[in-house]
Amino acid sequence: DAGVIQSPRHEVTEMGQEVTLRCKPISGHNSLFWYRQTMMRGLELLIYFNNNVPIDDSGMPEDRFSAKMPNASFSTLKIQPSEPRDSAVYFCASSLGGRASVGELFFGEGSRLTVL
Amino acid sequence: DQQVKQNSPSLSVQEGRISILNCDYTNSMFDYFLWYKKYPAEGPTFLISISSIKDKNEDGRFTVFLNKSAKHLSLHIVPSQPGDSAVYFCAAVGGGADGLTFGKGTHLIIQP
Repeated sequence: DAGVIQSPRHEVTEMGQEVTLRCKPISGHNSLFWYRQTMMRGLELLIYFNNNVPIDDSGMPEDRFSAKMPNASFSTLKIQPSEPRDSAVYFCASSLGGRASVGELFFGEGSRLTVL
Repeated sequence: DQQVKQNSPSLSVQEGRISILNCDYTNSMFDYFLWYKKYPAEGPTFLISISSIKDKNEDGRFTVFLNKSAKHLSLHIVPSQPGDSAVYFCAAVGGGADGLTFGKGTHLIIQP
C-alpha cells in the first residue's frame, strides 16, 4: 500500500501567489482530513470530508482557503492569495471510518509551505 | 483555547528508563483518545488509543492511562529506546466532531 501521497513536499512562493496542495488518500478510505501544523498552534484541523462531501470546514482560517474533493482518490487545498502567515506544514490524512475513532488516521508526509 | 494540552514541550529520558508523557483535556464530550508519534519530515503515525470506558490500554512497551475525573491521560514507555526519540501528540475525538483535536506535542529525547 502506497499510503497517503501529498504533493508538493516543499513549496516556496511569494506573497499574493496562488498555492495548490494535493492529496491522494489510501484506496478504500472514505474519510479525508486536512491539517496544518505550526509552532504556535500545533496541529489544527482545517477541513474534513466523508465520501467526498465536506462535513466540517469550521477550521478553515478564512475565505482565502478552499478545499475540494472531486473524487474518492484526490483532494486539493488551495490558498489564494497566499500570505506569509500561511507558512506551515500542511498534512493530509485519511481513514476508513466516518469518525476518527473508528479507524486511526493515516497521515501523508506533509507539504511544507513557505510564503515570502 | 486549547482543548487538548501538552504542557511539556520537551522531555529527556535515559535509555532503559520509563518515559511518561502527559496530556490534559478540557472538553468533557471527548470519548476517545489517541497518541501519535512523529519523526522529522514525516507525518504523524498512530501509536495507541483508549476509549473513555477504559482506564488503561497496553500494547507492548506502550501503556496509556486515562483518568476521566481529572481529564488527564498519560503515555508510559518502558523501557525507553533510542528509536522512541520523536514528537508525541495527544489527540481526542468526540462531542459530535469527527476530526481529531491534537495537543501541541512533546518532544521526547532518549539519552544513551
